Amino acid sequence: ILNVEQSPQSLHVQEGDSTNFTCSFPSSNFYALHWYRWETAKSPEALFVMTLNGDEKKKGRISATLNTKEGYSYLYIKGSQPEDSATYLCAINTGTASKLTFGTGTRLQVTL
Amino acid sequence: DVKVTQSSRYLVKRTGEKVFLECVQDMDHENMFWYRQDPGLGLRLIYFSYDVKMKEKGDIPEGYSVSREKKERFSLILESASTNQTSMYLCASLPSTGNNSPLHFGNGTRLTVT
Repeated sequence: ILNVEQSPQSLHVQEGDSTNFTCSFPSSNFYALHWYRWETAKSPEALFVMTLNGDEKKKGRISATLNTKEGYSYLYIKGSQPEDSATYLCAINTGTASKLTFGTGTRLQVTL
Repeated sequence: DVKVTQSSRYLVKRTGEKVFLECVQDMDHENMFWYRQDPGLGLRLIYFSYDVKMKEKGDIPEGYSVSREKKERFSLILESASTNQTSMYLCASLPSTGNNSPLHFGNGTRLTVT
């Protein structure tokens, strides 16, 4: 089974702080990396799908980078807001039948 | 927008009962998935289906079966529910247009087996 690791497990920041999380994965057999945001009582929502080494994607205050050679991705949130409070999930696709392997997630709490 | 609908938000069942979790998607996606999520563990794939009547085991299929009689519906069946199947169950769908597409998830079903 593919090992996808996310750190930290949880994070508590103040409104306005910038923060980042890490997703690590085996660099062999990599096809795509997904980031999802999962708010309480809602369904997980896709943030980014990244495939190329060196890829950078941005959506508002959230951005992500990808290093497939060393097997990691960073997710950055600039100027955190309370509505950013959620669990952020990373998942890897090795190209096998659309299957994704998920990490355990990083739980972010943003307080005023 | 793709809508993935899971029939129940909360379910409480007794040990030994046969349990059906239903999932319907409205965007003609070929691929559908069932995951479970437990504290401290990532989403784990139970079963998936890439076409009507087709199914493949995921990483933790034991104690579960699935049914895909129609393209829009993917059912997860617990043949004889046990307490270790108490969990949050998430259904997802994906078009077959390449592995660069994101999953579309339902809201989840929180199942408690007593």
